[in-house]
Amino acid sequence: EAGVVQSPRYKIIEKKQPVAFWCNPISGHNTLYWYRQNLGQGPELLIRYENEEAVDDSQLPKDRFSAERLKGVDSTLKIQPAELGDSAVYLCASSLSSGTHEQYFGPGTRLTVT
Amino acid sequence: AQTVTQSQPEMSVQEAETVTLSCTYDTSESNYYLFWYKQPPSRQMILVIRQEAYKQQNATENRFSVNFQKAAKSFSLKISDSQLGDTAMYFCALFPGANSKLTFGKGITLSVRP
Repeated sequence: EAGVVQSPRYKIIEKKQPVAFWCNPISGHNTLYWYRQNLGQGPELLIRYENEEAVDDSQLPKDRFSAERLKGVDSTLKIQPAELGDSAVYLCASSLSSGTHEQYFGPGTRLTVT
Repeated sequence: AQTVTQSQPEMSVQEAETVTLSCTYDTSESNYYLFWYKQPPSRQMILVIRQEAYKQQNATENRFSVNFQKAAKSFSLKISDSQLGDTAMYFCALFPGANSKLTFGKGITLSVRP
């Protein structure tokens, strides 16, 4: 069974530029999560999807961050414009449902903003 | 609100020895899940072990076991017969229940010395 797939693995951009991350969850998993992990810290939830609906985006900085999950499968997280403080690892995870306690993580995208 | 505290930033252990990683947490929920995740340099977050709060018996997975003290809100991970491949960051995490978010501690860097 394929795991959570993310791309790209690494991205370097200049500040004020846009950037997008892509995630393909495990087949059949209805719930998808985006996390941000700052250096030396644990992951923090940005947004949670149930199928195509964003049910918890309270931690998403909506002035510059946006996300979508069309057709309830793949998801894209976008930052526009990027700031120096956005440098972090962006992790995607999925689970069968929000009531399922076990989440499966992808390898993450390391973003560096210069 | 729930919190997870890992107060040890780093630990080191000799190969084949035993090491214990500490974690304390706080939640008002009575039925919740606790996890230890391993994150090697590849960044893939891997589930090591889980504990359901309503179960009194401590979880074990091969060389990994936990000491779950519900009243003290303590959840430590014991790694026996440490191996070089155990070198990674370890995160303690709390899932309070359905439609809640997974809360991570700051993590601890474990180094296994040959």
